[in-house]
This record gives sequence, structure tokens and C-alpha cells, in this order.
Amino acid sequence: GEDVEQSLFLSVREGDSSVINCTYTDSSSTYLYWYKQEPGAGLQLLTYIFSNMDMKQDQRLTVLLNKKDKHLSLRIADTQTGDSAIYFCAEGEYSSASKIIFGSGTRLSIRP
Amino acid sequence: EPEVTQTPSHQVTQMGQEVILRCVPISNHLYFYWYRQILGQKVEFLVSFYNNEISEKSEIFDDQFSVERPDGSNFTLKIRSTKLEDSAMYFCASSPRTSGRAQLYNEQFFGPGTRLTVL
Repeated sequence: GEDVEQSLFLSVREGDSSVINCTYTDSSSTYLYWYKQEPGAGLQLLTYIFSNMDMKQDQRLTVLLNKKDKHLSLRIADTQTGDSAIYFCAEGEYSSASKIIFGSGTRLSIRP
Repeated sequence: EPEVTQTPSHQVTQMGQEVILRCVPISNHLYFYWYRQILGQKVEFLVSFYNNEISEKSEIFDDQFSVERPDGSNFTLKIRSTKLEDSAMYFCASSPRTSGRAQLYNEQFFGPGTRLTVL
């Protein structure tokens, strides 16, 4: 069945880069997403990548997709305290009513 | 910027009681969803809803669950007889048929969630 796996915790020093990794199983996924959840808030779409792309860059965020290995990563450059949150990897299909399959979320904490 | 809202933010109920979780999706959106997250576990899909009927539901969404769009603005999730294991954060989401971001067809916008505690 469909599954998304990611590590639960990551701690980085302020100013360093954070790299959050994810693996997924569903080869029919069209979109791979990264959602961010801050305390008390909902899931906010951070960025996404089409499954036919290898890389997407959006300011401090870089998404890398290895479709052969079904591996997705999110790199946050120059990590700031405001980046502290839970980051969810997710996958979905190209369909109006398609569900999104989420991972467990990686809690990113920033050390001074 | 328009957003999805959910009420209440926290609901405490006794086992066996009925609960209704309410959501107000973004006004021009056509697709609606419920997800839940048991503490420490993954966000799980429950149900999607379009054109006043269920499009897809997961195994979790059994006969104890129902959804409704009673008045064209609210989208509700009802749990008929709550169980301890229904304790979770419930997220509502909505999406337009096409996104304002030209390339993303199925962007789902999530509400802040309702924490349901069943005692």
C-alpha cells in the first residue's frame, strides 16, 4: 500500500542547512509535497515538486527528488529559529479529489 | 488571505457520545476533506467530498462517521458513538478545482484542526 516514511527529529544549529529526508512507496504519485506545521496551526503547504522533476528551488528551500529510489529531500538553507516546526512529507495524485498521503512528520529544532 | 476555519479548537467528550466537528472551507472551493492525526502518528486521510457526495473514503471511515455540507458554507464530520481510539487531531481541508498557482492542480488548504479527546 501507499506509505511515506521520514525520521522523527532533526536538530541543527542556527545558520546551518537543514536536510529532511523522506521515502515513499507509491510510484503513481504525481506530486510530492512538503507541509509545515507550527504549534497550534494547521498544515501549511511549503513547496511541492512534480514527479517528473529532479529538483526545485524556491528561495531558501531546495527539493530533491530521486524517483528511482523514491527518495525526497527538503533542504533549508541558513536555518533560522522561525523554521522550528514539524515538516511533513506527502504524496498525491493528479486528481481533483485525490487524497494526500502523509508521513509522520519531522520535528526540526534549532540550536543557538 | 482566505483560510479554512474549524470549530471548536478542542472538544472533550465521553465515550459513546456523538460529536460534530465543524469546518468552514474557503468559499469558492469545491473539494472538501477530513484527515486525522492520532498523537505521535501520521496524518491519515478519512474522506473526500465533492458535489454533495463522498468521493473517496478510507478504511477508518466506517459507519460511525458521516460528513455533511448542510448549508453551503459549513462542512461537518459527525462521529456517532465515540470510542477512546477516536481521540485525535482532526483536520479539515478544501481545494479548488484549479489552483491559483497555475501548475498545482490539487493544492489542499488545511484548517488549524480540532483536538478531540474521548474520555
